[in-house]
Amino acid sequence: AQSVTQLGSHVSVSEGALVLLRCNYSSSVPPYLFWYVQYPNQGLQLLLKYTTGATLVKGINGFEAEFKKSETSFHLTKPSAHMSDAAEYFCAVTGGGTSYGKLTFGQGTILTVHP
Amino acid sequence: NAGVTQTPKFQVLKTGQSMTLQCAQDMNHEYMSWYRQDPGMGLRLIHYSVGAGITDQGEVPNGYNVSRSTTEDFPLRLLSAAPSQTSVYFCASSGAGSGANVLTFGAGSRLTVL
Repeated sequence: AQSVTQLGSHVSVSEGALVLLRCNYSSSVPPYLFWYVQYPNQGLQLLLKYTTGATLVKGINGFEAEFKKSETSFHLTKPSAHMSDAAEYFCAVTGGGTSYGKLTFGQGTILTVHP
Repeated sequence: NAGVTQTPKFQVLKTGQSMTLQCAQDMNHEYMSWYRQDPGMGLRLIHYSVGAGITDQGEVPNGYNVSRSTTEDFPLRLLSAAPSQTSVYFCASSGAGSGANVLTFGAGSRLTVL
């Protein structure tokens, strides 16, 4: 079984500041990890994923995340926030291999970007 | 390329009424799933399907039925709506192989049960 905990339901940053959204997971098997973003009144879209291989994963819109097995973490970062990054972000996990569309999601973190 | 299409986008029901949320995908994906999104709880899996004629329960299946008669369609039925089913519902699909774990989501269906 898998679970995900996102630390902080709301994160607020200034435009140009570092974005750090925290995600810790629990999995009894080697995990596949994902970050999805949801803009207001829209569905979720994939930002990035980790399956195997390189632990630092780059995604769209300048975001990246690092898989740290020893810390069971998959934190999402972006060096410089933009107003358009304001959205809700979800971390998700599945056991390694085919998930058949079954992901376990975290509670979500709402990112606010101030001018 | 439409992707995943959900209808209706908004629906208001009275307690005890039934309805069907429609979901269709045009990507020939094998796997389809329904999630509900509630504030502070993220997305929770209701039901999923690994192919036509094959469905299974997720984390929160009570009060919902599904069927999958074709690869493209995966409707979600509420048998007797309850206020606890007020939520935003998302349908998702994914293909086999290397894309099996990357979900494509619909835009969502917002349901209010009075």
